[in-house]
Amino acid sequence: ETGVTQTPRHLVMGMTNKKSLKCEQHLGHNAMYWYKQSAKKPLELMFVYSLEERVENNSVPSRFSPECPNSSHLFLHLHTLQPEDSALYLCASSQDAKREPQETQYFGPGTRLLVL
Amino acid sequence: SQQGEEDPQALSIQEGENATMNCSYKTSINNLQWYRQNSGRGLVHLILIRSNEREKHSGRLRVTLDTSKKSSSLLITASRAADTASYFCATGGMNRDDKIIFGKGTRLHILP
Repeated sequence: ETGVTQTPRHLVMGMTNKKSLKCEQHLGHNAMYWYKQSAKKPLELMFVYSLEERVENNSVPSRFSPECPNSSHLFLHLHTLQPEDSALYLCASSQDAKREPQETQYFGPGTRLLVL
Repeated sequence: SQQGEEDPQALSIQEGENATMNCSYKTSINNLQWYRQNSGRGLVHLILIRSNEREKHSGRLRVTLDTSKKSSSLLITASRAADTASYFCATGGMNRDDKIIFGKGTRLHILP
């Protein structure tokens, strides 16, 4: 175990549903990340938070809405998704994204999302 | 671009043999990391090598970095069935604002 947990592990939702993905890290890190992993594509960075402040938003559609209430918890709120949003969504954490943005990241097991 | 590209895309070897995977990139980097991902799971960090280092070892893993050729290799010696996974290189750019960028990965399959 890497110290990063994600729930749920699997999620099936319709295009009109609203759901949320949850990530929690037990490592005392200050930075958390959301990634999208689709088949045959590189890992795509979606959002970066450092000390609960968003520092990176890689032009992600507004149907994905992140929330970071504290440095240990990260959410990804989903609404009116499209079938092409089906993917594995990975959460990661690192010591401090501002002080050392390229340091080792610790990943959760991911949420496998299927949008029908 | 900073993004690394792994080669080969897929590799199958017999258990006990050595496995070598390569990563090439196009711009200067600050460091390069290798990660492993078992099917449908999260990535696990294996090793980080900085731009001023040429070689690092960790157990059965050996990583080399050649900045003149902009390439890195990951060698797994005496492979085991449990080594079956996808392996990704991730490059860190020279600027502080640069985030690490992952390649598409090499799928390694260890045959019994």
